[in-house]
Amino acid sequence: DAGVTQSPTHLIKTRGQQVTLRCSPKSGHDTVSWYQQALGQGPQFIFQYYEEEERQRGNFPDRFSGHQFPNYSSELNVNALLLGDSALYLCASSLGPPRVWTGELFFGEGSRLTVL
Amino acid sequence: QKEVEQNSGPLSVPEGAIASLNCTYSDRGSQSFFWYRQYSGKSPELIMSIYSNGDKEDGRFTAQLNKASQYVSLLIRDSQPSDSATYLCALKGPSASKIIFGSGTRLSIRP
Repeated sequence: DAGVTQSPTHLIKTRGQQVTLRCSPKSGHDTVSWYQQALGQGPQFIFQYYEEEERQRGNFPDRFSGHQFPNYSSELNVNALLLGDSALYLCASSLGPPRVWTGELFFGEGSRLTVL
Repeated sequence: QKEVEQNSGPLSVPEGAIASLNCTYSDRGSQSFFWYRQYSGKSPELIMSIYSNGDKEDGRFTAQLNKASQYVSLLIRDSQPSDSATYLCALKGPSASKIIFGSGTRLSIRP
């Protein structure tokens, strides 16, 4: 049973560049949530995708955007990178429409982004 | 006020003892509560979920929920060195589809 997979695992960018992170959910899951985790902090919710639509969004600027594909995989795009965007980006999958979802999340190993 | 508050630790507990981790939350409408374990350099892993007042036991782990006091706790009995990790308290509100995490408590089990 394939778990949540993310790519790339590590990447280095410079300020002003753009980055795309990818996620494949756990087999059978249809909902993907993205989180940003700075060092020593808990994960911060970015947004959630279900049925190829953004269902909920956290307090992140429009520089953060996403997409969900028909096969449930997802991308996170960050434009105009800032030094403060350096963090571990976590993708989590779950099953079911958000309004009836129990709340259990299954995380991938994350993509560690360093912005220089 | 943060939505989910945890003591950052580190909490040091001798091997074999009970580790007690605590969490408070601000939204009285929150319905679902979770404990995740995160080893250094790894991603969070769900270890317990609790949805109603009282205790829920799973092996060496017991989650406790008191909605009146807006308080969630996790007890780890017979602590092992492998329990050394950061423990994240999380919750889901009544209408929101997002999970909100606390900043985590670092637990260290000393031999």
